[in-house]
Amino acid sequence: QQQVKQSPQSLIVQKGGISIINCAYENTAFDYFPWYQQFPGKGPALLIAIRPDVSEKKEGRFTISFNKSAKQFSLHIMDSQPGDSATYFCAAQAGGFKTIFGAGTRLFVKA
Amino acid sequence: NAGVTQTPKFRVLKTGQSMTLLCAQDMNHEYMYWYRQDPGMGLRLIHYSVGEGTTAKGEVPDGYNVSRLKKQNFLLGLESAAPSQTSVYFCASRTGAGSTGELFFGEGSRLTVL
Repeated sequence: QQQVKQSPQSLIVQKGGISIINCAYENTAFDYFPWYQQFPGKGPALLIAIRPDVSEKKEGRFTISFNKSAKQFSLHIMDSQPGDSATYFCAAQAGGFKTIFGAGTRLFVKA
Repeated sequence: NAGVTQTPKFRVLKTGQSMTLLCAQDMNHEYMYWYRQDPGMGLRLIHYSVGEGTTAKGEVPDGYNVSRLKKQNFLLGLESAAPSQTSVYFCASRTGAGSTGELFFGEGSRLTVL
């Protein structure tokens, strides 16, 4: 039973294009929604995060859109670059203890 | 700064053998976690600890044991390894309650069980 569902599994985008990764959750107790970026051979690292009291958060080329009523959130990468090629995980946290991750999306940005 | 350090980075075991993965953090974090990463399944929580001397089960705890005898260390043990435990294991830590929730990960330990 996957509490956080992520799609697509893989994504190929042209350099300069927009990458979009979607996640959905069911547990309304989740109160923190981070995105992690992982390069091959490395551990995941926090990219950007949002709390459910805001609908959007932007940091540079990365934006999280959050739809509380639909229980969905997404990551948008504007002007995607080859250096953005990595695996991206959405996640959700409730009660401050456990972080539950989605299945991950492998992004490849073609030069 | 070392951050979160995992040892060993690679290990090959035969079915039935035992081993321990060590995680050490130098950030004085209260919470520590062990995840496993498998293709198409993301990161699944095995066990976690919210302080020295405490442990709790995550999503996939069967076949694993943990101990947190010192605040900076979190050990993951496999008593009798099985091929299904072939995976990449990640340790993570974070500050305690009231924090932003950011997890800091080690670089992973790749385990193969033959």
